[in-house]
Amino acid sequence: QVQLVQSGSELRKPGASVKISCKASGYTFTNSGMNWVRQAPGQGLEWMGWINTNTGNPTYAQGFTGRFVFSLDTSVNTAYLQISSLKAEDTAVYYCARRVLSVCDSWGQGTLVTVSS
Amino acid sequence: EIVLTQSPDTLSLSPGERATLSCRASQSVSSSYLAWYQQKPGQAPRLLIYGASTRATGIPDRFSGSGSGTDFTLTIGRLEPEDFAVYYCQQYDTSTGTFGQGTKVEIK
Repeated sequence: QVQLVQSGSELRKPGASVKISCKASGYTFTNSGMNWVRQAPGQGLEWMGWINTNTGNPTYAQGFTGRFVFSLDTSVNTAYLQISSLKAEDTAVYYCARRVLSVCDSWGQGTLVTVSS
Repeated sequence: EIVLTQSPDTLSLSPGERATLSCRASQSVSSSYLAWYQQKPGQAPRLLIYGASTRATGIPDRFSGSGSGTDFTLTIGRLEPEDFAVYYCQQYDTSTGTFGQGTKVEIK
């Protein structure tokens, strides 16, 4: 069965960077893209963008350009989200989700990133 | 950018009742590229409906989606205790994938 396992919670100071991993299993990794979704505490879902796991080409939503980078290591079926120059407002749960027919059909368990001095 | 507005923000119902959730788009969502997700506290969202009306694998038939253009509806035929959650719509028509703000279905 499809499984997406994300790395654990992270605590960072403002200005630092963080890299979250999302390891996929149960399907052919390069056959489906990977979406990234953010959820701030007590808030709704924000679509951050997605990465084509076949070509490595990323697409970023408005508001997620510059400090956010999607990347891959197809040798270990893993997608990554790196956030640099962290701000307090980046505190959120970040989800990866398999992209099938452009929807998020299977989700990771989420990674909480806390940015605090 | 297409903006999705869900209504109501909160729906208070009893188990066994019918729930009707609305999602309105700021411009037409072509080819019905509209999905619905359910999220329970402390859990990741779960895909319920895609293509406006196609149930995802394993989703009970009490969940149904309808609509086209700018107006879409998620209906839960008879609420079960496990259906009380937050529901989000998402459009994936353009190269983006914006979500609505969510509707909370709570126990009355």
